[in-house]
Amino acid sequence: GAGVSQSPRYKVAKRGQDVALRCDPISGHVSLFWYQQALGQGPEFLTYFQNEAQLDKSGLPSDRFFAERPEGSVSTLKIQRTQQEDSAVYLCASSLVGSGNTIYFGEGSWLTVV
Amino acid sequence: GQNIDQPTEMTATEGAIVQINCTYQTSGFNGLFWYQQHAGEAPTFLSYNVLDGLEEKGRFSSFLSRSKGYSYLLLKELQMKDSASYLCAVRNGGNTPLVFGKGTRLSVIA
Repeated sequence: GAGVSQSPRYKVAKRGQDVALRCDPISGHVSLFWYQQALGQGPEFLTYFQNEAQLDKSGLPSDRFFAERPEGSVSTLKIQRTQQEDSAVYLCASSLVGSGNTIYFGEGSWLTVV
Repeated sequence: GQNIDQPTEMTATEGAIVQINCTYQTSGFNGLFWYQQHAGEAPTFLSYNVLDGLEEKGRFSSFLSRSKGYSYLLLKELQMKDSASYLCAVRNGGNTPLVFGKGTRLSVIA
């Protein structure tokens, strides 16, 4: 596609509910990143894929967070048993491989846990 | 550890020039990026520096000094639409994820 596409754009979840957030990266982009952004803060790294391989998941805040990219394209970030502190914008980004390559962001999935 | 510092807020007048500073202390360095983010929107790429010096792109310029762990973003001829958050981000190495600062919220006033 023309840009990074994320869905849902907005999600309200009841505490304890599981949510799944989808990211469709730019076609041909090998690298895919997930970030969490709280209001008024910069994006915080969660996890990173190169093709289908999850190379770094050090930023995932707990074992309730899980990400996958089974075919090296679309990725899903799953949050189990959501808690209020999970409320944030979840940004997905993609890029070509190479240190100088720009990372392009989607518009994010706004999660509110009530 | 990783530490990227930038001012929280700045205000500048329409038509003026503003400089947003960023200092970083990271475990490695393989490039510094600046992004612009309007409220409720995705961050959009502005500039990339990997060597020391100034990169100019229209009204926006970005400077890097690796020895000082310092960068700035310079915005000239400010317009109201430049009111946004400006994010400084560092790549530690290879194709690793970017580490972001907390962002500087710029307000452009008439």
